[in-house]
Amino acid sequence: DAGVTQSPTHLIKTRGQQVTLRCSPKSGHDTVSWYQQALGQGPQFIFQYYEEEERQRGNFPDRFSGHQFPNYSSELNVNALLLGDSALYLCASSYSGGRISYNEQFFGPGTRLTVL
Amino acid sequence: AQKVTQAQTEISVVEKEDVTLDCVYETRDTTYYLFWYKQPPSGELVFLIRRNSFDEQNEISGRYSWNFQKSTSSFNFTITASQVVDSAVYFCALSDPYGGSQGNLIFGKGTKLSVKP
Repeated sequence: DAGVTQSPTHLIKTRGQQVTLRCSPKSGHDTVSWYQQALGQGPQFIFQYYEEEERQRGNFPDRFSGHQFPNYSSELNVNALLLGDSALYLCASSYSGGRISYNEQFFGPGTRLTVL
Repeated sequence: AQKVTQAQTEISVVEKEDVTLDCVYETRDTTYYLFWYKQPPSGELVFLIRRNSFDEQNEISGRYSWNFQKSTSSFNFTITASQVVDSAVYFCALSDPYGGSQGNLIFGKGTKLSVKP
C-alpha cells in the first residue's frame, strides 16, 4: 500500500515565476491538506481539499491556490514567487468522510522549493 | 487562539540515556487532540501518537511514552534508552475539530534530538 507521494522532490525557480506541486494521497483517503515548512520551523497550514473543493484555508495569500481531482490527488500552485516562498511543501492525507476530522494525517516526503 | 510551544530547540544525549521532550499547548476549547510527529533528515513527518482531550491516561509504546496533563496543558514525550536512530526533529501538534483550526494541525517549532553513540 503506497503512502502519500509528492512530486517533484526538488524544484528551483526564480522570483516572479509560477510553480505547481503534486500530491497523491494514501489509498482510502479522501482529504488532502498542504503545509509550508520554512527552515527551522514547524509546518504551517495552507489549505485543505475535500470533494474537489477548498474546505479550509490558513493565513496564506491568494497567490497560493490548489485543486483536487476526482481521484483525490491534489495540486498546489504558487504564482508570482517570492524569495520567502522557499520552503519544504508537505502534503498530508487523511480520511474524513465529509466531517471535520481529527484523524491523524499522513504526510508525504515533501517538495523542496528554492526561489532565487 | 491555539498555540503549541516546544521550548527545547535542540537536545543532545548519549545513546541509552532517557530523554524527555516538552510540549505546552494553548486552546480555549474543551475538545481537542494532541499529536506527536517525528521528522527524520529525509523530511517526511512520521505519525507517532494522537490523544484526545478527554483521555489523560499516560501511554507507553515500546521505548516511547507520553505524559498528558490537562492541569498544566502539557503533553510531554519521553524516549527511554535512546538510540542513534531516534535522532530527528520531533513536533508536537494541536488540532481542535470544532474550533479555530477545524481539524488541521497547529505545530510547535520542533525539538531537534541528537543521539550520539
